[in-house]
Order: sequence, then C-alpha cells, then structure tokens
Amino acid sequence: SQELEQSPQSLIVQEGKNLTINCTSSKTLYGLYWYKQKYGEGLIFLMMLQKGGEEKSHEKITAKLDEKKQQSSLHITASQPSHAGIYLCGAALFSGGGADGLTFGKGTHLIIQP
Amino acid sequence: GAVVSQHPSWVICKSGTSVKIECRSLDFQATTMFWYRQFPKQSLMLMATSNEGSKATYEQGVEKDKFLINHASLTLSTLTVTSAHPEDSSFYICSAADRGRPLNSPLHFGNGTRLTVT
Repeated sequence: SQELEQSPQSLIVQEGKNLTINCTSSKTLYGLYWYKQKYGEGLIFLMMLQKGGEEKSHEKITAKLDEKKQQSSLHITASQPSHAGIYLCGAALFSGGGADGLTFGKGTHLIIQP
Repeated sequence: GAVVSQHPSWVICKSGTSVKIECRSLDFQATTMFWYRQFPKQSLMLMATSNEGSKATYEQGVEKDKFLINHASLTLSTLTVTSAHPEDSSFYICSAADRGRPLNSPLHFGNGTRLTVT
C-alpha cells in the first residue's frame, strides 16, 4: 500500500476560490515537505514542516502538520492562475530526516479556471 | 539560494547506448544526492542515494549495474543509464542535501532530465 496518500489527485478550481490538498502518512513523519512542479520540470520548494501542530504560511499558501505528525494539509487562499501546477508532498519517514531521502505522494494536479 | 543544476535537460538516444546525466550543486556542498525517476502523471520514485566517496545505496528493484551512480566530489553526482532500452525512457531528477544545513533542511532539486530511448 502507498505509504503516503495525497488527495485529491486532481482539482479544478475557479480563480479566486480557496482550496485544500491533503497528505496522509501511514507512518510518523520526521519531516513533511511541500513542493510544486510543472510537469516535466524540476520541483520548487514551498514549505517544510517538522513539529506536530506546526503551521507555516507563504503569501497565499498555508501548510499545517497535525499534532500526531501523520497528516498535512496545504491550503491556498484566493487562488490565482500562477498557482496551477502539480503539488507534491514529500515525507521524511526515517529519523535522519530529509537526509535519508523523501517518499513522495502521487501529487495533486491543480487547474485554475479563469 | 541553493541551486542544483542538472544536465542535460533532455536527451534522445538509441537503444543499447549509454547515457550520462549530471547533477551539480552550484553553491553548496552536497554529501548526499538523491536520484529519482518519474513516469508520466506519476509520483517521484527514489532510485538511489548517492554518497560522496562511497558506493551508492539503491532502492529495492533498482538494478545497480544498469543505473551506475558516481559521486566523486561534493558538488557532482552522475547517473549513467547503461545499455538503455525504451522502457528506461522517463524523467530523471536529482536532489541534493546541503551538508552545511541540519538534517531536515529542504532538499534542492534539479530541473530534471527527460530521457527518450528509441
């Protein structure tokens, strides 16, 4: 079974609306990383969460890690066309953190409709 | 900010030939680099962990003799796809961990290499 479940797989949102992407792990997370990718291109680092209950924001994107450190959500407020792309959550599933490599979810393909 | 350069960005090769992909950390030293593979509309799958000065660690199911990894310096890791076949066609992407940062610091990714084997 997939160690990291990401939902939804795809999302079409009208410009200006809010949206949430979820990432759930079957194991305790030693670090949770959110990246954005345009298909066939590299990954752009968005945010990293490490502590239970932690929440970080950057511009209109907010990411949270739950207290049990097994689920994270990415919330975009007032979506814009520039938010379109593939969002990937990557998890550090071992105590070495990101230095042990990341396990990625399958990604969420976000489409913003004007 | 930290930059990882990956080269080439795309390559087309004939079946049976070998292809080398380079991953460089431009402004930091990377003791560890990671190689991922991504199929269309799929997630990134970790292939191997490249450690400077030692043998790479391969994930289960990844043939080490097919995907040769060399990490000869703190800023360069190479992935060579040997005797490439059409099923090796994929998007390969590397990432690097800055040795000067804590373990849970962000990993920086290259822009990927699209390999097409004809």
